[in-house]
Amino acid sequence: AQSVTQPDIHITVSEGASLELRCNYSYGATPYLFWYVQSPGQGLQLLLKYFSGDTLVQGIKGFEAEFKRSQSSFNLRKPSVHWSDAAEYFCAVGMTTDSWGKFQFGAGTQVVVTP
Amino acid sequence: DTGVSQNPRHKITKRGQNVTFRCDPISEHNRLYWYRQTLGQGPEFLTYFQNEAQLEKSRLLSDRFSAERPKGSFSTLEIQRTEQGDSAMYLCASSLGGAASYEQYFGPGTRLTVT
Repeated sequence: AQSVTQPDIHITVSEGASLELRCNYSYGATPYLFWYVQSPGQGLQLLLKYFSGDTLVQGIKGFEAEFKRSQSSFNLRKPSVHWSDAAEYFCAVGMTTDSWGKFQFGAGTQVVVTP
Repeated sequence: DTGVSQNPRHKITKRGQNVTFRCDPISEHNRLYWYRQTLGQGPEFLTYFQNEAQLEKSRLLSDRFSAERPKGSFSTLEIQRTEQGDSAMYLCASSLGGAASYEQYFGPGTRLTVT
């Protein structure tokens, strides 16, 4: 069965510090991989995506993620966190055996940024 | 384009009542998706449309849930005889077709509270 695991439910980070959010997936084929961010009262916003090619992908707001096939991981990183990065972050796997955009989302990681 | 919009943003209803939510997608997007998000979880896929055709509805949670997209533009999600377990955030997303179907743009959601 397909699954997406975000091991950290909650992370607290100081402003200016680096951030890494973990994502592991279980899927029989190479999936499409995504990170979304959700701020309170807002819909989900796509941060970045991986379809194929270079395993280090750059996204918006200074985020990047690295696909590691051997570890079935797609971890999100940011070198220096800003207070506005406080939000909930979701990793999602796009099922490539379906052609119509089906996602499996992780349960999310809540990021708190302290001064 | 102002993005995906959803109305109402909040709905409080009594158990047993019917509710209907509306989603207006990005105008050029032919695909529209409905998700449910409960507290502490990522979005869970419910159903999706390509133009006016509902191509996947097996994930609708019960026969009390139904969705329409009559003219291939806006969509409605109806829940009949609401139960307390239906309390959740209902998200709508839209996309173009093909591989772009994985690049979904989400609305802000409708939060349903069933008392």
